[in-house]
Amino acid sequence: DAGITQSPRHKVTETGTPVTLRCHQTENHRYMYWYRQDPGHGLRLIHYSYGVKDTDKGEVSDGYSVSRSKTEDFLLTLESATSSQTSVYFCAVGHAGTGYSPLHFGNGTRLTVT
Amino acid sequence: AQTVTQSQPEMSVQEAETVTLSCTYDTSESNYYLFWYKQPPSRQMILVIRQEAYKQQNATENRFSVNFQKAAKSFSLKISDSQLGDTAMYFCAFMNPTGNQFYFGTGTSLTVIP
Repeated sequence: DAGITQSPRHKVTETGTPVTLRCHQTENHRYMYWYRQDPGHGLRLIHYSYGVKDTDKGEVSDGYSVSRSKTEDFLLTLESATSSQTSVYFCAVGHAGTGYSPLHFGNGTRLTVT
Repeated sequence: AQTVTQSQPEMSVQEAETVTLSCTYDTSESNYYLFWYKQPPSRQMILVIRQEAYKQQNATENRFSVNFQKAAKSFSLKISDSQLGDTAMYFCAFMNPTGNQFYFGTGTSLTVIP
């Protein structure tokens, strides 16, 4: 258990509303990631962070923004939710510079945009 | 970007039998890491096994083992003595240590039949 908590666990929201998902970790991992999981697509990287205030885009970043003001928290914001953003969102953490480290995942957030 | 291909969307196996899940990847890197993750119906992502590309020896974890063929860029997962609890989605993942990014396949849904 890498001490990763995602909130909320489930959320239903309406098209056009902003939504923020939170990822909190307790083990001081440097790297944090946001993925979305969709049938037939596996897990696709949205954004990741390699330190406080250091973030970069993944392959499906359009319509999403992130922030990391503290080591332990990584926020994912859907600026104006669309039905195509209905998905399961996973936060993951890992280390860099210490050999290698597999990703450790949170339990996911199921987001439904109506 | 690296690509990871899992060509078997669904598989089934009889309890106590052996099954092999295939994974291929495309990269120009010489050093990298490969992983298999299991996702049971609970949605939790669980690391099953890992392989370092510079190691010739195939990784083994109890009933799980891999067949790593670096030249062929193939990384298959063998599950021996299949158990009902092995029913899950299995994802193959590639890690590029220089960019510290992970790339996932689309997954194989495995059902163990009693």
